[in-house]
Amino acid sequence: GENVEQHPSTLSVQEGDSAVIKCTYSDSASNYFPWYKQELGKGPQLIIDIRSNVGEKKDQRIAVTLNKTAKHFSLHITETQPEDSAVYFCAASAFGNEKLTFGTGTRLTIIP
Amino acid sequence: ETGVTQSPTHLIKTRGQQVTLRCSSQSGHNTVSWYQQALGQGPQFIFQYYREEENGRGNFPPRFSGLQFPNYSSELNVNALELDDSALYLCASSLASYEQFFGPGTRLTVL
Repeated sequence: GENVEQHPSTLSVQEGDSAVIKCTYSDSASNYFPWYKQELGKGPQLIIDIRSNVGEKKDQRIAVTLNKTAKHFSLHITETQPEDSAVYFCAASAFGNEKLTFGTGTRLTIIP
Repeated sequence: ETGVTQSPTHLIKTRGQQVTLRCSSQSGHNTVSWYQQALGQGPQFIFQYYREEENGRGNFPPRFSGLQFPNYSSELNVNALELDDSALYLCASSLASYEQFFGPGTRLTVL
């Protein structure tokens, strides 16, 4: 089955700087890669996703890149703000199989 | 907010008991997936229901079972509770597509 690894497990960034979280996946059939933000006491919130026919996607301060050859994808957050502090999860799934396989999470702390 | 609701918010059970968790999917969504999230871990897929039929199952024993109703709401039932079943249980709804939207979860504690 699919295995998703996520790094780093914790990340502290000065407010205004950029943050990058990286994930690798094992199943070459995976073609959908969402990122979720989870705040304390809440369910995961979908913040951006990318499909395998696209190499990069951007939404305001958030961007995701995908390298299918290397089987890795990354989340980039620019101009970080205190409200970006949360746990971020990457995930992967394959078309026709909506089971999401999640990474182990990255706790992002924005230092004011 | 995603429009996905779950009940109850928290509950405490003792080992060996049975529990039922409920999920109302976002309006227009016909697919519900259930996940278990242990403390400090990513969510783990339990199973998915599409139009009232089970549509895939993760590596969970048969004492984890579910239902989906005609209005697409869903239940997760766990029998013979074990201490390791203590976790946050999440449901996610989707429209038979990739994007899954999660509810706030039910925190289950087994003593």
